[in-house]
Amino acid sequence: GENVEQHPSTLSVQEGDSAVIKCTYSDSASNYFPWYKQELGKRPQLIIDIRSNVGEKKDQRIAVTLNKTAKHFSLHITETQPEDSAVYFCAASEGGTSYGKLTFGQGTILTVHP
Amino acid sequence: NAGVMQNPRHLVRRRGQEARLRCSPMKGHSHVYWYRQLPEEGLKFMVYLQKENIIDESGMPKERFSAEFPKEGPSILRIQQVVRGDSAAYFCASSGPAGATEAFFGQGTRLTVV
Repeated sequence: GENVEQHPSTLSVQEGDSAVIKCTYSDSASNYFPWYKQELGKRPQLIIDIRSNVGEKKDQRIAVTLNKTAKHFSLHITETQPEDSAVYFCAASEGGTSYGKLTFGQGTILTVHP
Repeated sequence: NAGVMQNPRHLVRRRGQEARLRCSPMKGHSHVYWYRQLPEEGLKFMVYLQKENIIDESGMPKERFSAEFPKEGPSILRIQQVVRGDSAAYFCASSGPAGATEAFFGQGTRLTVV
C-alpha cells in the first residue's frame, strides 16, 4: 500500500519568514495530494491540493509543488503569521478511485513566533 | 449547507462497553470515510462506505470494529468491548461522486476509555 513520509516533524520560524514542509510517497498510482491544517482539538481542514497533471499550484501565501518522477511534493507558506501555527498534514490518494481514501504523513508542528 | 456532522463530540466508555459514533455527510455527498487519530499522530484510514455498501475496510481492525452506512440515517462506527488502546479521535469525512471532489472532515468524536 501507499506510504507517505513527511519532514520535518517540527518547524519553528519567525513571523514573516517562509516555511517549507516536504513529503514523499511510494505508490506511483497516487494522483491526488492534499494538504490539511489541524489546530489543537479541531478537525483537519483542507488548505490546498494538487493533482498529478499539475506541477505547481498557488493560493495567496500558500503554494504546493509536485515532482511525480521523484515522488515528492512540498508545501510552501510565505510571509508566515502567528495564526499559521498548527499541525500540517500531507496526504496522498491511492489508485485514483476516490479522493477521500487518503494516506497521511506523520504531520509537522509549525510554530510561528511573533 | 451544513458540513459533516459527527456526534457525540466526546464519549467516555468503560472498558468492555460498546461505543457508537455517528456521522452525517455533507448534503449531496454519498461517500463516507472513517479515520482514527491517536494522540500526537497522523490520521489512519479505517473504512470507506457508500450507502448500504462497504467499499474498502482495509484499515479496520479485524475484531470488535464495524461500520455501516444505511439507506436512511447517518453512518455508524461501532466499537465493541472497548479497550484503553481504542482511546483516540475518530474523524469522519465525506466526498461527492468518486473522483469528483475533495474530502471534508467532521469535527471528530473523542473517545476516552476508562
